[in-house]
Amino acid sequence: DQQVKQNSPSLSVQEGRISILNCDYTNSMFDYFLWYKKYPAEGPTFLISISSIKDKNEDGRFTVFLNKSAKHLSLHIVPSQPGDSAVYFCAAIRGGSNYKLTFGKGTLLTVNP
Amino acid sequence: GAGVSQSPSNKVTEKGKDVELRCDPISGHTALYWYRQSLGQGLEFLIYFQGNSAPDKSGLPSDRFSAERTGGSVSTLTIQRTQQEDSAVYLCASSPAGVVGETQYFGPGTRLLVL
Repeated sequence: DQQVKQNSPSLSVQEGRISILNCDYTNSMFDYFLWYKKYPAEGPTFLISISSIKDKNEDGRFTVFLNKSAKHLSLHIVPSQPGDSAVYFCAAIRGGSNYKLTFGKGTLLTVNP
Repeated sequence: GAGVSQSPSNKVTEKGKDVELRCDPISGHTALYWYRQSLGQGLEFLIYFQGNSAPDKSGLPSDRFSAERTGGSVSTLTIQRTQQEDSAVYLCASSPAGVVGETQYFGPGTRLLVL
């Protein structure tokens, strides 16, 4: 069963606009969430994270929002740049497990110039 | 400094053969992780090392899969009698201590194709 779901396999936006990537989870034991970015032929790189005690975390152009009641999180990229084009993975960690990341299937973001 | 490296980058093998995949973590990182990504799937956790010990092997899909880590550094993932469903990208990651909130740094992966 897929405990972390990214229902949009792809997303296309114009340069300068906002990109919104969505992620849903089913396991209420998850208490830490991360976003990773992956370019072709490279490993995923950490982007931003959020603890379940928060509802928002911001780092430059990237903001992650967490809605615990809806078991939903989203990554906002503003403004989007062509270099942001990559696959974005949502990942979650269960409370008590400090290492085991559960990943979604990823969303391919394409930012058009 | 150098990141996580993995070798080989690509491996093509015949069904039934054994393969070894290697991971060199970032120097000084005590925690090491193996994941795999099958076609159309997210990354799937396989095994976690803290030093040379593997306290969690729960993600290994069958007893054909094994992993070891020596000297608290290099790790080898071995797949015996490979099957076509083993075809995937195998990713290794490391982190300084394996604590909550710690970033896992990924290598580029080994792309395994079993014919």
